[in-house]
Amino acid sequence: KAGVTQTPRYLIKTRGQQVTLSCSPISGHRSVSWYQQTPGQGLQFLFEYFSETQRNKGNFPGRFSGRQFSNSRSEMNVSTLELGDSALYLCASSTTRGGIGEQYFGPGTRLTVT
Amino acid sequence: TQLLEQSPQFLSIQEGENLTVYCNSSSVFSSLQWYRQEPGEGPVLLVTVVTGGEVKKLKRLTFQFGDARKDSSLHITAAQPGDTGLYLCAGITGTASKLTFGTGTRLQVTL
Repeated sequence: KAGVTQTPRYLIKTRGQQVTLSCSPISGHRSVSWYQQTPGQGLQFLFEYFSETQRNKGNFPGRFSGRQFSNSRSEMNVSTLELGDSALYLCASSTTRGGIGEQYFGPGTRLTVT
Repeated sequence: TQLLEQSPQFLSIQEGENLTVYCNSSSVFSSLQWYRQEPGEGPVLLVTVVTGGEVKKLKRLTFQFGDARKDSSLHITAAQPGDTGLYLCAGITGTASKLTFGTGTRLQVTL
């Protein structure tokens, strides 16, 4: 069974630009969550999608948005990039919507904003 | 805001030593998970503890959930170099679908 895949793995952008990251969950998983990981703030929840609907959202500005497609693949978008957006962005998929179901994480997309 | 503080932040030990990592919060969690993350990879779930006072063992790893469900510990017996990584606890509240991650403990085990 293929794991969670994220593309691209590495990305370098300039301040003010926008970026789109992609996540393909494990086949059959309908829930996709996104997290931001930085050395200073650790792992922080961005949002969760289940059946194409955003079910939960973390404390991030509106520049961070996402969506989920009918095949459960998800994208997140960050507009007007800031230096502080440099981070490892992780997505995780699971069979259940939240709760204590096991979340499977992808390897992440490392975004560097210069 | 729910915070999960882990201690210690860094731990460097030799193979064969024992260690304990702590995860503390002022908030109550319905369940708590422990993950290990290696460089270049996403976190991998090690265990989920649900009941206050619960103890789970996974080979050389022992996990405990505090009676009040506010804290947890991870004990590793006879650490091996393969245990090296970033250990993260994560709390779940009720039916919320988001994980609140701890600050992390970076463990290095040398020969």
